[in-house]
Amino acid sequence: DVKVTQSSRYLVKRTGEKVFLECVQDMDHENMFWYRQDPGLGLRLIYFSYDVKMKEKGDIPEGYSVSREKKERFSLILESASTNQTSMYLCASSLPVRGQETQYFGPGTRLLVL
Amino acid sequence: AQKVTQAQTEISVVEKEDVTLDCVYETRDTTYYLFWYKQPPSGELVFLIRRNSFDEQNEISGRYSWNFQKSTSSFNFTITASQVVDSAVYFCALSEIVGSARQLTFGSGTQLTVLP
Repeated sequence: DVKVTQSSRYLVKRTGEKVFLECVQDMDHENMFWYRQDPGLGLRLIYFSYDVKMKEKGDIPEGYSVSREKKERFSLILESASTNQTSMYLCASSLPVRGQETQYFGPGTRLLVL
Repeated sequence: AQKVTQAQTEISVVEKEDVTLDCVYETRDTTYYLFWYKQPPSGELVFLIRRNSFDEQNEISGRYSWNFQKSTSSFNFTITASQVVDSAVYFCALSEIVGSARQLTFGSGTQLTVLP
């Protein structure tokens, strides 16, 4: 079974803090993704990575950065957290093989920025 | 641009009723994949099914069935004899190649509540 884990289920931070969200997958997947989920908006892609040290912007990258130093780990960084970044953050991974691009998700991190 | 529409925001049914969740999509791709995911209250998205654009066969898996119709750009999901444990948010998603990876465009989700 694919396993995607996220470092925290719940996180409370203050405005202006630097926030790190960590995601680890154990299936040797090349692709990894970060989404945020907000009521009524579904899931929106923030960034994705298709290989170590490679990254591409998604639909809403502003205010975020990412790091992928190892294949199994993909980090989302909020350089200076703001209240509008309060959200549910979901990490996913997938293989790049055609027909096997199903994304598998972690349990999510609920971030509250005060 | 791709788009996925789940017009039903919330549905409530009584246990053992059948329920259909609608999904309509838009894409210019000739090859694409459609997905359904389930998100229970715990928050984790659980993969249910993937369908590619060349395969219009309906699929049944236990109490779940999926009806893919290219002519109407729809990929509907039916739960037969619903159970309380089916209560969750269900997302339909469409994939496309962007850059070097296949990305998903999600619908806004349908909250299904199954009452005992």
